[in-house]
Amino acid sequence: KAGVTQTPRYLIKTRGQQVTLSCSPISGHRSVSWYQQTPGQGLQFLFEYFSETQRNKGNFPGRFSGRQFSNSRSEMNVSTLELGDSALYLCASSFGGQSENTIYFGEGSWLTVV
Amino acid sequence: AQSVTQPDIHITVSEGASLELRCNYSYGATPYLFWYVQSPGQGLQLLLKYFSGDTLVQGIKGFEAEFKRSQSSFNLRKPSVHWSDAAEYFCAVGANDYKLSFGAGTTVTVRA
Repeated sequence: KAGVTQTPRYLIKTRGQQVTLSCSPISGHRSVSWYQQTPGQGLQFLFEYFSETQRNKGNFPGRFSGRQFSNSRSEMNVSTLELGDSALYLCASSFGGQSENTIYFGEGSWLTVV
Repeated sequence: AQSVTQPDIHITVSEGASLELRCNYSYGATPYLFWYVQSPGQGLQLLLKYFSGDTLVQGIKGFEAEFKRSQSSFNLRKPSVHWSDAAEYFCAVGANDYKLSFGAGTTVTVRA
């Protein structure tokens, strides 16, 4: 079956703009989580959603937000982009989100802020 | 809060030689432990996971890992490395809070 699909794969934005990234989980998976990956900070957890409810949130400013739709698809939004937001944004899905559920990652969305 | 340390930033190994990547975790209860691999420009692929039971876990691509509670370690091993194993490897811990905490990663270079 299809894996986790993220769009767009690559994008370039200007400081101050906003961006929306999309994630389609594996069919049947109801938990979607987002991670930011940068060379300096590594992989950092952004947030996790299950059945349209955010169950956990990482230590990121309020400019980072997300949502999940009834079909489990998820979007994350970053407003007022800063140069430091340049990163690979990874979406992951699992059946229930608990630690014993295997988490599958998408290939990521590469965001460059100029 | 849980955390993961991968002491080695970069390891170079000859093709056909054995590989061991170190991972130490910090967590008060029994952890859920994972190893992921990331090839350049790609997402993360799960190699193996430990939840409970047998402390020696077999994964894909010929990898295995051993959970040692006394040492708070979950080291990854492969007996014979192939050139295609060149990648970045991440150890992660889950603590039933709907997230994974990752180590900084170890980059593996395979020389011919």
